[in-house]
Amino acid sequence: QKEVEQDPGPLSVPEGAIVSLNCTYSNSAFQYFMWYRQYSRKGPELLMYTYSSGNKEDGRFTAQVDKSSKYISLFIRDSQPSDSATYLCAMSATGGFKTIFGAGTRLFVKA
Amino acid sequence: NAGVTQTPKFRILKIGQSMTLQCTQDMNHNYMYWYRQDPGMGLKLIYYSVGAGITDKGEVPNGYNVSRSTTEDFPLRLELAAPSQTSVYFCACKGDGSNSPLHFGNGTRLTVT
Repeated sequence: QKEVEQDPGPLSVPEGAIVSLNCTYSNSAFQYFMWYRQYSRKGPELLMYTYSSGNKEDGRFTAQVDKSSKYISLFIRDSQPSDSATYLCAMSATGGFKTIFGAGTRLFVKA
Repeated sequence: NAGVTQTPKFRILKIGQSMTLQCTQDMNHNYMYWYRQDPGMGLKLIYYSVGAGITDKGEVPNGYNVSRSTTEDFPLRLELAAPSQTSVYFCACKGDGSNSPLHFGNGTRLTVT
């Protein structure tokens, strides 16, 4: 079993839709949960960061962590064509310096 | 402030050739990493370094070597290129603290034929 599972998609939605991206994980030591966004032919960039369980909102983006279920989500409201990218979930343990990534979900938002 | 710079952007190698992928950062971060990214497979850690002079293997180190003589530079060496090393390679750095994010370069696309 992989430490982090993420459906690679692709996921295609119309402009304005609500997008839900998800990851599951197996290592209960993970405390830091991140979402990176990667545009074509670019390196990943940090989009959202959450510590332990709970929600975090930043504009149209909301990150949720449910540690009891070992499940994290990223919601994108009012999706835009500029949101078309690959979204990678990532996580690390307290004191750890290694970050484990999911496979990444490729998202297409159609105008 | 350039962040993380990787060179070259693209390279085609023949089987058995060797090459060095360059990575330099100007963020004065101690932690540096090399990942490879294959379609649908996410980012796999090859090697990492917690500071100058200290390196360690990641998840997929076979066929690669690294060195870290300075804080800024973290080159990745391929000695005998194989088709299985065709991939996109990303270098990243990270500040101290568990909540510090990774800062990535824009990658090197390598094809081995």
